[in-house]
Amino acid sequence: VQLVESGGRVVQAGGSLILTCSASGFDFGNNAMHWVRQLPGKGLEWLTIITYDGGETHYADSMKGRVTISRDNQKNILYLYMKTLREEDTALYYCVKDLKFDPSMIYDFWGQGTPVTVSS
Amino acid sequence: QSALTQPASVSGSPGQSITISCTGTTNDVGKFKFVSWYQKYPDKAPTLLIYEVRYRPSGVSDRFSGSKSGNTASLTILGLRPEDEAVYYCSSFTSANTGVFGTGTEVTVL
Repeated sequence: VQLVESGGRVVQAGGSLILTCSASGFDFGNNAMHWVRQLPGKGLEWLTIITYDGGETHYADSMKGRVTISRDNQKNILYLYMKTLREEDTALYYCVKDLKFDPSMIYDFWGQGTPVTVSS
Repeated sequence: QSALTQPASVSGSPGQSITISCTGTTNDVGKFKFVSWYQKYPDKAPTLLIYEVRYRPSGVSDRFSGSKSGNTASLTILGLRPEDEAVYYCSSFTSANTGVFGTGTEVTVL
């Protein structure tokens, strides 16, 4: 299993960003997927989930209205679109595979993360 | 959704056993079997240690075990080793169909 995130960069506050995660080594279309982040010097924060077929998404309250998760099961790619970015969104963003077909919030494989820095 | 509560740090000598608690509510840890634990080294991605309260993925040492009572889950590490020094996070499914992590516990091997 390999999850490779990309798209992280320095962006100005108020700006937007799209993160991508290229998945390989498993049947991508058969697993729920997540984005999780770690703020500098802080703990892990769950952000969002998308079901195996993209039919259902859920978001952390802190991100609702500012992020959208989506997926392309033909290309084995997971996306995270973020807008109205704030300095407090500066973090390492992980693409994470759910252990199960249906959402279980059990994360069995993680990418290495892509860093996002929001400057004022 | 508030983070699950873990002690900030736990320490022990090599060979000792330690237990890390993870306290949630009746809307997460207390309600669901989908409680899991993760080990995280600095500058590395987390790895799954325990899932569904007590099950270990293939390759995880049987020195790690999990349990749950009410709204509190626990991770026990038997026979502490230097390589167990890491930050440990619990996680749970929630009633809002979201995920929530614990605050993280730094384990120090004295």
